[in-house]
Amino acid sequence: DADVTQTPRNRITKTGKRIMLECSQTKGHDRMYWYRQDPGLGLRLIYYSFDVKDINKGEISDGYSVSRQAQAKFSLSLESAIPNQTALYFCATSDLWGKAFFGQGTRLTVV
Amino acid sequence: GQNIDQPTEMTATEGAIVQINCTYQTSGFNGLFWYQQHAGEAPTFLSYNVLDGLEEKGRFSSFLSRSKGYSYLLLKELQMKDSASYLCAVVDSNYQLIWGAGTKLIIKP
Repeated sequence: DADVTQTPRNRITKTGKRIMLECSQTKGHDRMYWYRQDPGLGLRLIYYSFDVKDINKGEISDGYSVSRQAQAKFSLSLESAIPNQTALYFCATSDLWGKAFFGQGTRLTVV
Repeated sequence: GQNIDQPTEMTATEGAIVQINCTYQTSGFNGLFWYQQHAGEAPTFLSYNVLDGLEEKGRFSSFLSRSKGYSYLLLKELQMKDSASYLCAVVDSNYQLIWGAGTKLIIKP
């Protein structure tokens, strides 16, 4: 089984719909992240959480929200999806030294 | 601000050697990672440097100079499967990962 699991792997949704991407990890790490990646661009941080009670905005948090339900679970929501949120989304966890472990990614298309 | 620079794209020949450079300006330094990412897939860990010098792991080596804010990833005996993007990431003083935009490596036969 993968250390970091994202669901769904692929999703097509309509403009204005609410959508949730889920992430769970078995690494036992406190730190979890949501990134967005667009073609030809690097990873951009949406939100991060250093423990269950800690939630922080990243560089591109507008239009997104998160919930840290437990140490192992960190979900990302798009309250009202728009086409420019079409992207590849990655969940990750990291150890105390910063080494990151990624989920398989969720390919989201907003039409 | 914090910044990591890598070349956008590089091309090399199968069997050859290629060096991918990374320069950084960050708020503190607690280590540097290199990741490989094939198109549409998740990044996977390649190497970690926290002290100056060269770390060798099979065909891949990574070098760090903290005084120069510089690292490189050296790939030897290139194979077609090495065609991927290579991401440089620095851990800053808050143990936050700062990511470069990645270098797309194209391997030609």
